[in-house]
This record gives sequence, C-alpha cells and structure tokens, in this order.
Amino acid sequence: DSGVTQTPKHLITATGQRVTLRCSPRSGDLSVYWYQQSLDQGLQFLIQYYNGEERAKGNILERFSAQQFPDLHSELNLSSLELGDSALYFCASSASSRSYNEQFFGPGTRLTVL
Amino acid sequence: AQKVTQAQTEISVVEKEDVTLDCVYETRDTTYYLFWYKQPPSGELVFLIRRNSFDEQNEISGRYSWNFQKSTSSFNFTITASQVVDSAVYFCALSEGSGTYKYIFGTGTRLKVLA
Repeated sequence: DSGVTQTPKHLITATGQRVTLRCSPRSGDLSVYWYQQSLDQGLQFLIQYYNGEERAKGNILERFSAQQFPDLHSELNLSSLELGDSALYFCASSASSRSYNEQFFGPGTRLTVL
Repeated sequence: AQKVTQAQTEISVVEKEDVTLDCVYETRDTTYYLFWYKQPPSGELVFLIRRNSFDEQNEISGRYSWNFQKSTSSFNFTITASQVVDSAVYFCALSEGSGTYKYIFGTGTRLKVLA
C-alpha cells in the first residue's frame, strides 16, 4: 500500500459526460501528479500540483482540468468525454516537487466511456 | 528530447531463470534520475529503485539488481532466480534535473514467469 488513495476505483459513463476523479496523497506529501495509462499511449504525464499550485503540464487535453485543495487532496475533472478517454488514471504523490523524489502511485481509477 | 526505450515488449521465462529487462534513455540534461516501477496484474505501480546520474554504482536488493551505464545510456534491471510472483509489467522512467520534474515512462516490458 503506497499510502495514496484514489476514488472511485471504477467509473463507467457515457460520451459527452463529465466526471471527477479524486486523489489523496500520502501524509506529508505536497506534490500531486496525474497520469493517464492507455493501451495506445502508454503512461502519459498529465499535470502536477505542488502545495495547491499548478507546477507543470504535460499532455493534458483542454477538456481536462485539475486542482489541488488546501488539504492537499486533488481532483481531476474530465469533461465532454470521448471513447478515447477510456483509460486508467493514476495519481501519484511525492514529498516535494524535486525530480529526485520517487513518486508513489495510487491504485488508479479505471474510466470506461461507452 | 527526452525519451525512454524499453525494446522488449514481452519476455517469458521459466521459474528460477535469470532475466534482464533493458532500458535505454535519452536526455540532454547532465542531472537526471532514473526509476524502475513494477505493475502487477492488480494494476498499481510499485516503486522499485531510483538512481541519479552521478551515481553509477550498481545496486543489488535481494534477487533484484540494476546496472546503470552512462556510456551506453542504459539502466538495466536483472531478476535472479525468477519467481511466478515476479510476473508483471515493468516500467523504466526518467526524470530530468531541470524543468517539470515529470516522469517520462518507457512503454513497459511484460514479464511472464512460468511455473
């Protein structure tokens, strides 16, 4: 158990809908990262937050947004969902925003868009 | 541009065989960090090791060992006396010392250990 929690574990929804994925980092970790794992794209970095502020953006679509709250939990919002958004979404946390810190991953949220 | 290549898509071995998973990386940074993660069938990503670009010492942890060679930009992972529980997808990742601190993952190597 990495100490990172993600809810829900599974999510099934329809095209055009909007969903919110939630992540609680390990106790004491200030940095949260979101990744998408799909069969065709592999593991792709989406976005990073550090202590409530956005630090880095990766291959995140404009239909997707995220935030980190004062209690450090984070939410990833996916809107106008398409079939291609079906994937496993991971949240990871690390102690700081430094690149040498290992990231600890949550169990993931499997999103299925029908 | 940064890139991580895991050329082996899938490897099958018989239990107790040794197996090496290859990882080749590209980066322009002189300071960078390399990681290995394991993704068992249950799906979570489990951290295995971190290595920084200034430390080329090989590391051994039980049946696991890692060989880091800057000259060939490789960070290979060997499992000695493999076990069925080692069956998983293994990912190599690169994090650069400057910039966004994001991980760049390889495409992963699926290891199947047969009893």
